Amino acid sequence: DQQVKQNSPSLSVQEGRISILNCDYTNSMFDYFLWYKKYPAEGPTFLISISSIKDKNEDGRFTVFLNKSAKHLSLHIVPSQPGDSAVYFCAASAGDDKIIFGKGTRLHILP
Amino acid sequence: DAGVTQSPTHLIKTRGQHVTLRCSPISGHKSVSWYQQVLGQGPQFIFQYYEKEERGRGNFPDRFSARQFPNYSSELNVNALLLGDSALYLCASWRTSTDTQYFGPGTRLTVL
Repeated sequence: DQQVKQNSPSLSVQEGRISILNCDYTNSMFDYFLWYKKYPAEGPTFLISISSIKDKNEDGRFTVFLNKSAKHLSLHIVPSQPGDSAVYFCAASAGDDKIIFGKGTRLHILP
Repeated sequence: DAGVTQSPTHLIKTRGQHVTLRCSPISGHKSVSWYQQVLGQGPQFIFQYYEKEERGRGNFPDRFSARQFPNYSSELNVNALLLGDSALYLCASWRTSTDTQYFGPGTRLTVL
């Protein structure tokens, strides 16, 4: 039973355009959501997070949107850069430090 | 400051053997978690330790065990290895429950 779902295994976006990565969750107890980025041969790197009391959090080129009623969140990257090519994991926790990850979306930034 | 370090980076074992993986958290971090990432999946939570006590356990068999030492470093032990245990094992550390978890580079375990 997958509690965090990333339904797009991969996504290709032209350099300079907006990348939108989507994530759905099923557990209504989740109150904290995170996005991690992972390059090959490295551990996941924290990108941005959002608490369930907010609907938007922005950090530079990265913005995360949370729609609690739809149990949906998205990560927007604008403008997309070549170094953004990586696997992106959506993750969630229910206040107990145990993080539940999605399967990831591989983002390709095209020149 | 050094990040989370893990050893070894790669390991090859045969079925039935035992393995010990090691993790050193970021200085000042008292919590450590272990995750298993199989190919094509996201990391899956195995254990969490805080101040040397187990605080959480994922849905893994008793062949998996862990401990945390007084210096907050941690070991993950897996007994009676199965082919399905082949994965990247990730360690993460953080100071308190309000902090972000920082991941190490992982140990790639291959079971033949």
